[in-house]
Amino acid sequence: DVKVTQSSRYLVKRTGEKVFLECVQDMDHENMFWYRQDPGLGLRLIYFSYDVKMKEKGDIPEGYSVSREKKERFSLILESASTNQTSMYLCASSLRAMGGNSPLHFGNGTRLTVT
Amino acid sequence: AQSVTQLDSQVPVFEEAPVELRCNYSSSVSVYLFWYVQYPNQGLQLLLKYLSGSTLVKGINGFEAEFNKSQTSFHLRKPSVHISDTAEYFCAVSDTGGFKTIFGAGTRLFVKA
Repeated sequence: DVKVTQSSRYLVKRTGEKVFLECVQDMDHENMFWYRQDPGLGLRLIYFSYDVKMKEKGDIPEGYSVSREKKERFSLILESASTNQTSMYLCASSLRAMGGNSPLHFGNGTRLTVT
Repeated sequence: AQSVTQLDSQVPVFEEAPVELRCNYSSSVSVYLFWYVQYPNQGLQLLLKYLSGSTLVKGINGFEAEFNKSQTSFHLRKPSVHISDTAEYFCAVSDTGGFKTIFGAGTRLFVKA
């Protein structure tokens, strides 16, 4: 089974701090994704990456950046955290070879609170 | 552009009763359709997917979904639910060529004893 591991389950940060959320997958998947989950809004795509050092903006990239230096690791960076970034963050991975029919494999999420 | 509408935000149901969670989508291109389940304090896991072929798709834990192209729907059903089915369920679509999966807002299923 694919395992997607997010380094923290809970984080509390102060407004203006730089925040790093880390995600590692162990199944050699090419695609990696960061979603944000908010009640009533479902999951919204922040950024995704289809290869090392490649990144693409999702639907809500403002205030975020990403880094993918190794195939198995995809980091989400909040350059200057704000209270409206308080949310659940979910990392996912998938196989590129299957295209759009490749299901996503998710980590357990990081609940970030910005005070 | 694609979009997904889950018609019910919450569905309460008694144990052993049947349940249907509704999902409609819109897209100008061919899509793949998915249902994911999220148990409390966990990430999402795949319940079932429709890629092509038979419009009735069977998934894990006794769930099934029917793809209806004319009504652009992909409703999820289970003939008899258990307490352990209490979770949030997400309908999702992805286009056949891209990387992006679009999710609905989710339906919270409460199974009562």
